[in-house]
Amino acid sequence: AQTVTQSQPEMSVQEAETVTLSCTYDTSESDYYLFWYKQPPSRQMILVIRQEAYKQQNATENRFSVNFQKAAKSFSLKISDSQLGDAAMYFCAYKQNTPLVFGKGTRLSVIA
Amino acid sequence: DAGITQSPRHKVTETGTPVTLRCHQTENHRYMYWYRQDPGHGLRLIHYSYGVKDTDKGEVSDGYSVSRSKTEDFLLTLESATSSQTSVYFCACGGGYNEQFFGPGTRLTVL
Repeated sequence: AQTVTQSQPEMSVQEAETVTLSCTYDTSESDYYLFWYKQPPSRQMILVIRQEAYKQQNATENRFSVNFQKAAKSFSLKISDSQLGDAAMYFCAYKQNTPLVFGKGTRLSVIA
Repeated sequence: DAGITQSPRHKVTETGTPVTLRCHQTENHRYMYWYRQDPGHGLRLIHYSYGVKDTDKGEVSDGYSVSRSKTEDFLLTLESATSSQTSVYFCACGGGYNEQFFGPGTRLTVL
C-alpha cells in the first residue's frame, strides 16, 4: 500500500520569509498524482497545488511551488513571501487509481 | 467547495446510539468519499463510492456502513456509536484520477 510521510510535525516561519515543507511517499507506480492541501483553523480542506508524475516541470501557483523529485519519491512544498494567512495544517497526498492517501500533516506557524 | 455540503455540522450523541451523517453534492461527481480526521493521524479513508450503489471499504471501515442511492447523496452510518468514533468527518468528491474536493466537515462527539 502507498504511504505518505511528512517528517515535520510543526514548523514556523517569519512573515515575508520562505519555508519548505517536506513530503516523501512510497509507491511502485510510475503514473500518479501528488497534492498539497491546506487546512486553516476553519477546518476547510483547500487544494494548494497539484503535480502529475509524468510532468518533469515543477508545479507553481503564485507563492506556492513544489520540488518534485520522482526518483527520490520526494515532493516538497515551498511557500515564498510567507503571510499570516498561510498559518495552517498542510497535508501532502498521493493518488493513483485509488482515493487520496494523506500524510499526517505539518502545522505551520507564521510569526509576525 | 461550495458544491459539497455535510449535515449535521456538529453532533453530540451517546454511546450505543445510531448516527447518520449526510453528504450532498451538486457537481455530479462520480466518486464520493468519507474520511475521518484525528490528531496525529491525518485523514484516513473510511469508505468510498464509485457510483450509485457501488461502494468499497477504506482503511478504517470497521463500525461504519455507507449507502449511495442517488448520485448526489452519500450517507455514513455508525450503527452503534462508540467513544473511539469521536472525530471530525469529511466528505469528499472527485473524478477518477484527479483532485478531491472536500466538504466543510462534521464534528461528532460520542459521550
